[in-house]
Amino acid sequence: AQTVTQSQPEMSVQEAETVTLSCTYDTSENNYYLFWYKQPPSRQMILVIRQEAYKQQNATENRFSVNFQKAAKSFSLKISDSQLGDTAMYFCAFMKQTGTASKLTFGTGTRLQVTL
Amino acid sequence: DSGVTQTPKHLITATGQRVTLRCSPRSGDLSVYWYQQSLDQGLQFLIQYYNGEERAKGNILERFSAQQFPDLHSELNLSSLELGDSALYFCASSVGGTRPYEQYFGPGTRLTVT
Repeated sequence: AQTVTQSQPEMSVQEAETVTLSCTYDTSENNYYLFWYKQPPSRQMILVIRQEAYKQQNATENRFSVNFQKAAKSFSLKISDSQLGDTAMYFCAFMKQTGTASKLTFGTGTRLQVTL
Repeated sequence: DSGVTQTPKHLITATGQRVTLRCSPRSGDLSVYWYQQSLDQGLQFLIQYYNGEERAKGNILERFSAQQFPDLHSELNLSSLELGDSALYFCASSVGGTRPYEQYFGPGTRLTVT
């Protein structure tokens, strides 16, 4: 079974600064997918970024980028130029697709507070 | 707005009762997933349906059941409710098939068991 670990329960960053959220995972699989989801106070789960394990290039989406280290089983999220609207819980998630079956395994989340 | 709809938004019921949560996936999506978010268990996968058939199962209690209908909407039935079933229940959908498409989440149904 796969496990996802987020070791930082809470983090704080000032507006316009950069912050990195950590995530490690444990799997014996070779082909899999990793995601970061954001959950703001509204409780909506919003997809932030996705990474395919077979791709060496790190994914980027505007101010969001990842540092994917497959051998180390590490998948950190970097948020640049932090904005107040980035305040949210951030969840790292692992997915393995087998035929038409798939599921997300989530970490426990990191609560990010962006301050003025 | 993800395009995934869930009803109702809130549900308050008593222990021992039965409730049904409803989910409509995004247009074109064939896969539906159910997740439970609680304070003690975190975000947990319950079950997945693809084009009407069960495809993956997580730690779903025997008191819980789900189905996906021909129009692709899905229902999650929770019976003999206990206080510990109080949680936020999410439905997510994806295009499905054998390619690993992203899952998009609905706004959730907040269930409170008293």
